[in-house]
Amino acid sequence: NAGVTQTPKFQVLKTGQSMTLQCAQDMNHEYMSWYRQDPGMGLRLIHYSVGAGITDQGEVPNGYNVSRSTTEDFPLRLLSAAPSQTSVYFCASSYWTGGYEQYFGPGTRLTVT
Amino acid sequence: KNEVEQSPQNLTAQEGEFITINCSYSVGISALHWLQQHPGGGIVSLFMLSSGKKKHGRLIATINIQEKHSSLHITASHPRDSAVYICAVHGGSQGNLIFGKGTKLSVKP
Repeated sequence: NAGVTQTPKFQVLKTGQSMTLQCAQDMNHEYMSWYRQDPGMGLRLIHYSVGAGITDQGEVPNGYNVSRSTTEDFPLRLLSAAPSQTSVYFCASSYWTGGYEQYFGPGTRLTVT
Repeated sequence: KNEVEQSPQNLTAQEGEFITINCSYSVGISALHWLQQHPGGGIVSLFMLSSGKKKHGRLIATINIQEKHSSLHITASHPRDSAVYICAVHGGSQGNLIFGKGTKLSVKP
């Protein structure tokens, strides 16, 4: 199994550009989520999905869209990039085993200039 | 006040020392996670626990549900243990995690 994969690993955008961060998992996990990690802030939840066709907002959803057309894929779209979205983005998938066992992708480092 | 508090924020130790990192939380939880993140690296789950104690090699995690407190211990620390250790809890529905800000551990040879 590849686990959770994310592309790209690094990205530089100009303010106002749009892009999609890709996330895929091959473990058939129903639950997937996107987090951003900023210095001194800890990880914060952007959006999550409990299964194909179902998504919901997390703590910091503004400026981001998600969709979940398949169990495997959960892309994160930046609609109009802003410098405040400079961050490291982690995708995670999980499954229930008395708690949600978490698997994280390797992260995408995004810089918006 | 943050829902998940970790202490200390930074920790420097000599190789071989016993290390303890603490996590306190203020919400009801179904499970608590300890995660490890190496510099520039991804995030790896070390433990998920909802009661008692778990051990994996030199790492031990404990949780006291009544006191809303968990500890991560590292015995015989090694420079390769240098990383950020993050405590996270399931505080809401559907497996969403609430994270502490992390403890940066540096183990000197």
